[in-house]
Amino acid sequence: AQTVTQSQPEMSVQEAETVTLSCTYDTSENNYYLFWYKQPPSRQMILVIRQEAYKQQNATENRFSVNFQKAAKSFSLKISDSQLGDTAMYFCAFRGYSGAGSYQLTFGKGTKLSVIP
Amino acid sequence: KAGVTQTPRYLIKTRGQQVTLSCSPISGHRSVSWYQQTPGQGLQFLFEYFSETQRNKGNFPGRFSGRQFSNSRSEMNVSTLELGDSALYLCASSLALGGHETQYFGPGTRLLVL
Repeated sequence: AQTVTQSQPEMSVQEAETVTLSCTYDTSENNYYLFWYKQPPSRQMILVIRQEAYKQQNATENRFSVNFQKAAKSFSLKISDSQLGDTAMYFCAFRGYSGAGSYQLTFGKGTKLSVIP
Repeated sequence: KAGVTQTPRYLIKTRGQQVTLSCSPISGHRSVSWYQQTPGQGLQFLFEYFSETQRNKGNFPGRFSGRQFSNSRSEMNVSTLELGDSALYLCASSLALGGHETQYFGPGTRLLVL
């Protein structure tokens, strides 16, 4: 079974600064997909960024980028120029094959990020 | 294009009752997954449906069940409610099965069991 670990339960960052959220995972698969989701106080889960394990190039999406280290099974999220609207819970998620054509999402416990004005 | 919708948004039930939650996926999406979110256990996978067939089920008791209709809409049912079933239930849809498919989440149904 896959496991996802987010070692930072809470973090804070000053507005306009950069912050990095950590995520490690454990799997024996070679082909899989990794995601960062954001859950603001409204509780709506929003996709931030995704990474395919077979791609060496790190994914970027505007102010959000990842540092994907496949050998180390590490998948960190970097948020540049932090904005007040970035305040949310951030979940790292792993999607791997679970049989019968299904790919299951396994989530970490989350990191609560607060952006301070 | 409208997002994933879930109804109702809030529910209060008492122990022993049963409840049915509904999820309408994004138009054209055929895969629907359900998750339970609690402060203690975090986000846990319940089940995934595709083409009206359950493709995968998480580690939950048989009191939790679901189904998918021909229009891809899905329902989940929890029978004989327990206090521990109080949670946010999230539904997510994707175009099809496949690890490359991104799941898009609905706003959730918050269930409180008294």
